[in-house]
Amino acid sequence: SQTIHQWPATLVQPVGSPLSLECTVEGTSNPNLYWYRQAAGRGLQLLFYSVGIGQISSEVPQNLSASRPQDRQFILSSKKLLLSDSGFYLCAWGNSFEAFFGQGTRLTVV
Amino acid sequence: ILNVEQSPQSLHVQEGDSTNFTCSFPSSNFYALHWYRWETAKSPEALFVMTLNGDEKKKGRISATLNTKEGYSYLYIKGSQPEDSATYLCAFITGNQFYFGTGTSLTVIP
Repeated sequence: SQTIHQWPATLVQPVGSPLSLECTVEGTSNPNLYWYRQAAGRGLQLLFYSVGIGQISSEVPQNLSASRPQDRQFILSSKKLLLSDSGFYLCAWGNSFEAFFGQGTRLTVV
Repeated sequence: ILNVEQSPQSLHVQEGDSTNFTCSFPSSNFYALHWYRWETAKSPEALFVMTLNGDEKKKGRISATLNTKEGYSYLYIKGSQPEDSATYLCAFITGNQFYFGTGTSLTVIP
């Protein structure tokens, strides 16, 4: 079956600390993978997308980065978090019939 | 990556007003178009799956139309209610790949 796993579900991190959010996909190969962020009062932002291993495109300049070390693994990272990085992060992919979304990560930077 | 654009990026309407927004996508190699409703801190909810040119789908006060020849879909909300406040996300599907739009953030003011 096709599923997507995202963790952790919630995270509280101090300003200046690093970040690593992981998303893994099952039941497919070579999917397009996406990282979105929904921040309070700022709507939805497409942060990164990847069409294959090592191929990352960035939509929004920021202190975040993404990597795709394996076909079904997509990682969102930061070396030093900012207060403005707080928000709800969502990993996604889809096939011809439906989209699959991770459970989301609520990140609070304090 | 294919360009899937949604407009406007954000929208504020009064309760009771009707509203609509647009998803634009490439007019070639069309397979399907999906609409999702995404509330903050929740996984997106599937609204419509549209596959044929001229498709019209309806779910309560929300409806959608599809024009695959010119590459756009409209989402309409009749008599907006505060509970309609959310981000509305479209996804263009070609082959077995999903290409998400950036969403339209709707706020309905009581």
